[in-house]
Amino acid sequence: GAVVSQHPSRVICKSGTSVKIECRSLDFQATTMFWYRQFPKKSLMLMATSNEGSKATYEQGVEKDKFLINHASLTLSTLTVTSAHPEDSSFYICSAQERGIQYFGAGTRLSVL
Amino acid sequence: GENVEQHPSTLSVQEGDSAVIKCTYSDSASNYFPWYKQELGKGPQLIIDIRSNVGEKKDQRIAVTLNKTAKHFSLHITETQPEDSAVYFCAASIGGGSYIPTFGRGTSLIVHP
Repeated sequence: GAVVSQHPSRVICKSGTSVKIECRSLDFQATTMFWYRQFPKKSLMLMATSNEGSKATYEQGVEKDKFLINHASLTLSTLTVTSAHPEDSSFYICSAQERGIQYFGAGTRLSVL
Repeated sequence: GENVEQHPSTLSVQEGDSAVIKCTYSDSASNYFPWYKQELGKGPQLIIDIRSNVGEKKDQRIAVTLNKTAKHFSLHITETQPEDSAVYFCAASIGGGSYIPTFGRGTSLIVHP
């Protein structure tokens, strides 16, 4: 199947700093990518849909100024957690579609101290 | 919108036994049903999927069945092995084009050696 690469796999940062997470489709072009947040022992919570060349679509309750999404090319979407706080600590996962099938990255464990 | 219910939330089996995870969906327009396996600290991995024009699909020890009339689909794992231990998510969506799948809450499968 298609491969989606997510980087970094783990990041620890101080409160107030910003963190950028990258999501790349390695062997296909993805006009649409998705960003999820997952709490321990919980299901995937869709945060936003990232569209290449246009603004992301955020789910209700997700602060767009807090979670900045950029999808500048057909193979790269980035999620920036701005002014991170301990409550932003979580597991963030991206996915990309190929022919209607969604493939996930390995996830990023964010810990905000 | 679509609503996907998944049961059980936890499933514990002995190695070699079979495991069955069941999901129901609400939107009759849904026609694509993927299953994902998520190991601890990793992103979900697509393991099998089924489309509504098929009633059953099998891939080695894994099989999925779909009952469109009853709006439910199930994952069957035979001859379970300890490495099958993971969280399994079902999902439902309208396939083709840009879609957003609705995920179940997940089933934690534990296979005891």
